[in-house]
Amino acid sequence: GENVEQHPSTLSVQEGDSAVIKCTYSDSASNYFPWYKQELGKRPQLIIDIRSNVGEKKDQRIAVTLNKTAKHFSLHITETQPEDSAVYFCAANTGTASKLTFGTGTRLQVTL
Amino acid sequence: KAGVTQTPRYLIKTRGQQVTLSCSPISGHRSVSWYQQTPGQGLQFLFEYFSETQRNKGNFPGRFSGRQFSNSRSEMNVSTLELGDSALYLCASSWTSDEQFFGPGTRLTVL
Repeated sequence: GENVEQHPSTLSVQEGDSAVIKCTYSDSASNYFPWYKQELGKRPQLIIDIRSNVGEKKDQRIAVTLNKTAKHFSLHITETQPEDSAVYFCAANTGTASKLTFGTGTRLQVTL
Repeated sequence: KAGVTQTPRYLIKTRGQQVTLSCSPISGHRSVSWYQQTPGQGLQFLFEYFSETQRNKGNFPGRFSGRQFSNSRSEMNVSTLELGDSALYLCASSWTSDEQFFGPGTRLTVL
């Protein structure tokens, strides 16, 4: 089955700096890669996603890149703010199925 | 549109009991997926229902079951509860089966 690895597990950046979180997946049939943000005690919130026919997608300060050949995708957050502090999860679907396999999460802390 | 809702939000049970959790998807969404979230195992897929049929299943024992009603509301049931079943149970609804939107979860504690 699908295996998703996520790094780093914790990331501390200063406000205004950029943050990058990386994930790799194993199933070459995966074609949908969402990123979720989960604040303490809250539900995971979909922040951006990318499909396998696209190499990069950007939404304001957030961007995601996908390298299908290498089977890895990354989340980039620019000009980080304290409210970006949360746990971020990457995920990949299994082919045409809607089952999502999640990475283990990255705890991002943005310090002043 | 109202978001995904889950009831109850908190639940305390003892070992051996059974529990039923409920999920109401976003209006118009026909797919409901269930996930278990624990500090040790992270987010793990339980199963997905679409138009009242189970379409996908994760690697959980048969004690975990679910169903979906004609109005797309879904329930999951856990029988013979074990201490290790303590977790946050999240449901997610989807229109396309790709973009999934999570509910607030039900925090289950098994004593």
